[in-house]
Amino acid sequence: QKEVEQNSGPLSVPEGAIASLNCTYSDRGSQSFFWYRQYSGKSPELIMFIYSNGDKEDGRFTAQLNKASQYVSLLIRDSQPSDSATYLCAVDPNTGNQFYFGTGTSLTVIP
Amino acid sequence: DAGVIQSPRHEVTEMGQEVTLRCKPISGHDYLFWYRQTMMRGLELLIYFNNNVPIDDSGMPEDRFSAKMPNASFSTLKIQPSEPRDSAVYFCASSSHRGQVQPQHFGDGTRLSIL
Repeated sequence: QKEVEQNSGPLSVPEGAIASLNCTYSDRGSQSFFWYRQYSGKSPELIMFIYSNGDKEDGRFTAQLNKASQYVSLLIRDSQPSDSATYLCAVDPNTGNQFYFGTGTSLTVIP
Repeated sequence: DAGVIQSPRHEVTEMGQEVTLRCKPISGHDYLFWYRQTMMRGLELLIYFNNNVPIDDSGMPEDRFSAKMPNASFSTLKIQPSEPRDSAVYFCASSSHRGQVQPQHFGDGTRLSIL
């Protein structure tokens, strides 16, 4: 079983819609959770992190964490074509700053 | 503030040659990570350092790969001899142990092609 699992997609949503990206993890001791955005040919860019159960909002982005269900998600409201990218979920198992990364979900926002 | 700096950005070389990738972490960060990314395998952790000391190199694929961190501001990843299957994008990332949350920050990567 992989430590972090994401649907690889591709996920397509129309411009202005809500995009929902999901991630599950296996290590119950994990403390912090990160979402990275990676444009084609570019490096992963941190967009949000969360460590408490519940929701965390930053502009059009909302991260949701449910530790009991070992589930973290990213919602993108009012999706824009510029949001088209691969989104990587990363989990810090609290063992020396090493992260476990998912394989990423490819998102396409259709104008 | 300067981010993680990697060089070169692109490297094309023939198989059998030695390849050296370089990384300068963010000043003050005490963790440094080397990743490899391919379409087939995604983002793979190769090795990471804490305070210049290698902590986990279990992701290094073969003895042909080696990494060093002689000081807090510089690290190298070497492949000798290189093979076509080493072609990938290699990322360096750094983080700090300070704070409740310690995100990793990535460099722009080195796109390596072995012919």
